Amino acid sequence: AQSVTQLGSHVSVSEGALVLLRCNYSSSVPPYLFWYVQYPNQGLQLLLKYTTGATLVKGINGFEAEFKKSETSFHLTKPSAHMSDAAEYFCAVSASNSGGSNYKLTFGKGTLLTVNP
Amino acid sequence: KAGVTQTPRYLIKTRGQQVTLSCSPISGHRSVSWYQQTPGQGLQFLFEYFSETQRNKGNFPGRFSGRQFSNSRSEMNVSTLELGDSALYLCASSWRDRGYNEQFFGPGTRLTVL
Repeated sequence: AQSVTQLGSHVSVSEGALVLLRCNYSSSVPPYLFWYVQYPNQGLQLLLKYTTGATLVKGINGFEAEFKKSETSFHLTKPSAHMSDAAEYFCAVSASNSGGSNYKLTFGKGTLLTVNP
Repeated sequence: KAGVTQTPRYLIKTRGQQVTLSCSPISGHRSVSWYQQTPGQGLQFLFEYFSETQRNKGNFPGRFSGRQFSNSRSEMNVSTLELGDSALYLCASSWRDRGYNEQFFGPGTRLTVL
């Protein structure tokens, strides 16, 4: 079974400041990890994913995340926040053996990012 | 390439009624998953369909059901609606056969039960 914990339901930063959204996961098998963003009244858009290989993953809109197995973490960062980054962010985990009952995404509760001018 | 489409976008029903939501996946995608999103419970997995068969099911009562057609389009049905069924219902599609579960989401159907 998998689970995801996102620390901080609400993060507020100033425009131009570093964005850090925290995600810790639990998985009994090697995980696949995802970050999604949701703007108001919209569906989820994939920001980036970790499957195998390089542990530092770059995504869209300048976001990146690092998979740290020893810390069971997959924190999302962006060096400089823009006003347009204000949205809700979800971390998700899926088991790496994608057959059968493991083929689903388990999401964290989400972190609402506010960017102040 | 068109994204995942969901119809209708908004729906208002009363308790006891039933509702059917529709999802058209990205062309070539054969897996369709459904999720319920509420402020209290967050995003919860409902079920997944692949090749017209339900492959996975979340922890929801039997009032929630679905099906998938030969063209991979999927419908979700909720019978005997309850106030607590008010939520955003998201559909996601994927290839399923590429070794990892990268899902593409539609805009959702906002269901309000009065």
